[in-house]
Amino acid sequence: DTEVTQTPKHLVMGMTNKKSLKCEQHMGHRAMYWYKQKAKKPPELMFVYSYEKLSINESVPSRFSPECPNSSLLNLHLHALQPEDSALYLCASSQDGRANEQFFGPGTRLTVL
Amino acid sequence: QKEVEQDPGPLSVPEGAIVSLNCTYSNSAFQYFMWYRQYSRKGPELLMYTYSSGNKEDGRFTAQVDKSSKYISLFIRDSQPSDSATYLCATLYSSASKIIFGSGTRLSIRP
Repeated sequence: DTEVTQTPKHLVMGMTNKKSLKCEQHMGHRAMYWYKQKAKKPPELMFVYSYEKLSINESVPSRFSPECPNSSLLNLHLHALQPEDSALYLCASSQDGRANEQFFGPGTRLTVL
Repeated sequence: QKEVEQDPGPLSVPEGAIVSLNCTYSNSAFQYFMWYRQYSRKGPELLMYTYSSGNKEDGRFTAQVDKSSKYISLFIRDSQPSDSATYLCATLYSSASKIIFGSGTRLSIRP
């Protein structure tokens, strides 16, 4: 299994909702990442988990809360989002903390109303 | 100055042409250089990465890094309509977790 899977593919939520994005990989990778990508822009790093510990938090607002239950799973909990948070949310993984061979999932397209 | 500069395009070429995609970077400490391909509404796909200077070839794709001029290139030979996508160059420091992406070049191959 050489892929990163993400669910759901699409999500529409109101500003008062609480929802979660899920990411899973079975490649034995020990680093997992969350990115946000707006249209026609490159991905922006949000969080990095290395060996299940949060190692990078790029000053993302607290309405985004990451969770890494084990080395194969990564969640992103969403609460009280704003319309400007609408974007493609990408999960990625790499063998270890070095990002040069990073594999991306297909993304969750989030729309905040 | 951005750490990685990339012409956003769009770039349109006829099928079968050789495509040249380029980036420049500012920090000589960067060690790894990557190219990602991203189709519309999909996640980026790693095409190849290069450590330090030199060339790397994979099928129709050749990545080239010139550290003396801080220049990164991707060549696509015998381009196909299926190569139409956005191509992102990227770099990072050795042992780093954060990739520095270029802005991406939108490429269209005309049948």
